[in-house]
Amino acid sequence: QKEVEQNSGPLSVPEGAIASLNCTYSDRGSQSFFWYRQYSGKSPELIMFIYSNGDKEDGRFTAQLNKASQYVSLLIRDSQPSDSATYLCAVSSGGSYIPTFGRGTSLIVHP
Amino acid sequence: NAGVTQTPKFRILKIGQSMTLQCTQDMNHNYMYWYRQDPGMGLKLIYYSVGAGITDKGEVPNGYNVSRSTTEDFPLRLELAAPSQTSVYFCASSQIADEKLFFGSGTQLSVL
Repeated sequence: QKEVEQNSGPLSVPEGAIASLNCTYSDRGSQSFFWYRQYSGKSPELIMFIYSNGDKEDGRFTAQLNKASQYVSLLIRDSQPSDSATYLCAVSSGGSYIPTFGRGTSLIVHP
Repeated sequence: NAGVTQTPKFRILKIGQSMTLQCTQDMNHNYMYWYRQDPGMGLKLIYYSVGAGITDKGEVPNGYNVSRSTTEDFPLRLELAAPSQTSVYFCASSQIADEKLFFGSGTQLSVL
């Protein structure tokens, strides 16, 4: 069974710091990796995706992928209180189009 | 721009009752999904569909049924509701070969 593991947190960081969220996955055939943000009481929203090893940057967000270690991470620079949410990691195998989600990590950014 | 629309937003059922959760999308997406989310847990896939007339089971299909008669609509049917089905249900859709999910606003269901 394909598994996606995340530390449930909460991860607490001060405003302006870098928040680092981590995710590991069990299926070595995984090819697509996604990060969703979910505010309390709301639905998940896609914020980042990455397909190749290395880093991908979009504004304050950087996704990092290491397929050899089966590890994907999300860095949030200059964290703001508005970044406080649960971040869900999702992974899918090539051609399946059915992502498997982790439990999510709760991030709290305090002023 | 409606995206993915789910109804109802909230519902309370008695044990043994049945209901249908409605989901419609206006993005012409081929793939549609139903997930449930329990407190502190991730999203568990119930059923998915790769196009009109084609559906398949996900990780937790027991107690649910789906149909997909059109590209736009993907209703989820709960038969003989049980307390274990108390959860938040999300419908989502995606383009073929895209895997980027767009979610509806969710349905909070309580079975008492």
